Amino acid sequence: GAGVSQSPRYKVAKRGQDVALRCDPISGHVSLFWYQQALGQGPEFLTYFQNEAQLDKSGLPSDRFFAERPEGSVSTLKIQRTQQEDSAVYLCASGLAGPDTQYFGPGTRLTVL
Amino acid sequence: AQSVTQLDSQVPVFEEAPVELRCNYSSSVSVYLFWYVQYPNQGLQLLLKYLSGSTLVKGINGFEAEFNKSQTSFHLRKPSVHISDTAEYFCAVSQGAQKLVFGQGTRLTINP
Repeated sequence: GAGVSQSPRYKVAKRGQDVALRCDPISGHVSLFWYQQALGQGPEFLTYFQNEAQLDKSGLPSDRFFAERPEGSVSTLKIQRTQQEDSAVYLCASGLAGPDTQYFGPGTRLTVL
Repeated sequence: AQSVTQLDSQVPVFEEAPVELRCNYSSSVSVYLFWYVQYPNQGLQLLLKYLSGSTLVKGINGFEAEFNKSQTSFHLRKPSVHISDTAEYFCAVSQGAQKLVFGQGTRLTINP
């Protein structure tokens, strides 16, 4: 079946622009996670949804980062007034309820100039 | 707070040689452990996971890992590597249906 998809795959933004990154999870997966992966580093947790409820947003680095999942399916990560330090790959993962596998999408590579 | 340490940032090995990628974690409670592989310009793919039960876990592509609670380790092994195993490998830990905490990654390079 279809895996997790993310769009766009690549995004170049000028500093100060707003961006929106989309994640389509695997159908039926209640859990959805966003991670940020800087160059040469492991992914770092940003936020977690169970259905439409955002249960953990402790990893969002500033109030410029905002995520939503209004209908418990597709999720959008929005970054306002982008800064150069926001340049990274943003990974989305989905999973079933419980301590089980998270399935990752291919990521969106964001470059802020 | 949980943390994961991957002791080697790069591991070069010759094709058909055995390999071990080391992972240690710190946590005061029971955890779930994972190894993911990342090929260039791709997302993360699960290799194997430990949730409970047998401490020796077998995964895809001939990889296996052993959970050692006393040493808080979860090292990844393969008896004979192939060129196609060249990739970045990440160890990760979680508590329940929560976020994954990843190590810094180990770049495995296979030389012919």
